[in-house]
Amino acid sequence: QLQLQESGPGLVKPSETLSLTCSVSGDSTTNASYYWAWIRQPPGKGLEWIASIYYRGTTYYNPSLKSRVTISVDTSKNQFALRVTSVTASDTAVYYCAGHSRKAPAVTSWFDPWGQGTLVTVSS
Amino acid sequence: QSALTQPASVSGSPGQSIIISCTGSTSDIGGYNYVSWYQQQPGKPPKLIIFDVNNRPSGVSNRFSGAKSGNTASLTISGLQTEDEADYYCSSFTSYSTSVFGGGTKLTVL
Repeated sequence: QLQLQESGPGLVKPSETLSLTCSVSGDSTTNASYYWAWIRQPPGKGLEWIASIYYRGTTYYNPSLKSRVTISVDTSKNQFALRVTSVTASDTAVYYCAGHSRKAPAVTSWFDPWGQGTLVTVSS
Repeated sequence: QSALTQPASVSGSPGQSIIISCTGSTSDIGGYNYVSWYQQQPGKPPKLIIFDVNNRPSGVSNRFSGAKSGNTASLTISGLQTEDEADYYCSSFTSYSTSVFGGGTKLTVL
């Protein structure tokens, strides 16, 4: 059964870089049926898709975050990662990693499964 | 890209049916049958309950159903139960090969 688990610092200072890793178990990140995604949820607010990546390196980003975000995949470790640069308080959120179903090249659909999420607070 | 539009809240009594709408554009909901719905209980990650407009994952109650007409998708919950009280989110693929969520709807079971 595919499972995902986020890891990374829970506290990041303003203007610094947020880095998170998602460890995949129960299947391989090279599974052609999936992209791998990051989604965040500020406290008390809704979900925001951040980015998705295919194991061969194809990436898609939320246009509103694209200039500050990098998603990457390490198939040898069965992990994928997120970096957000120049963080501010508005980047405070629970960050989720998720499987993102691949319908065709450059076409995706649902998110499943999801990790449990990790709270990242941006504060000095 | 703009978030999909959902009502902030809906309510219903046990046993009743409710419908949650999710409105987008021809660039997302209207252009593709790749709409999904998620249920989120407090403190938990979202749970997929509908995929590709009207398909239920294994283990999801048949009281949940999805549909789409034009640029608007909808989630119907029939036979409301107290355990259905949660936040619900829609999501769609877009013509830019990105994904977008709705703002979320809080369901209260009175």
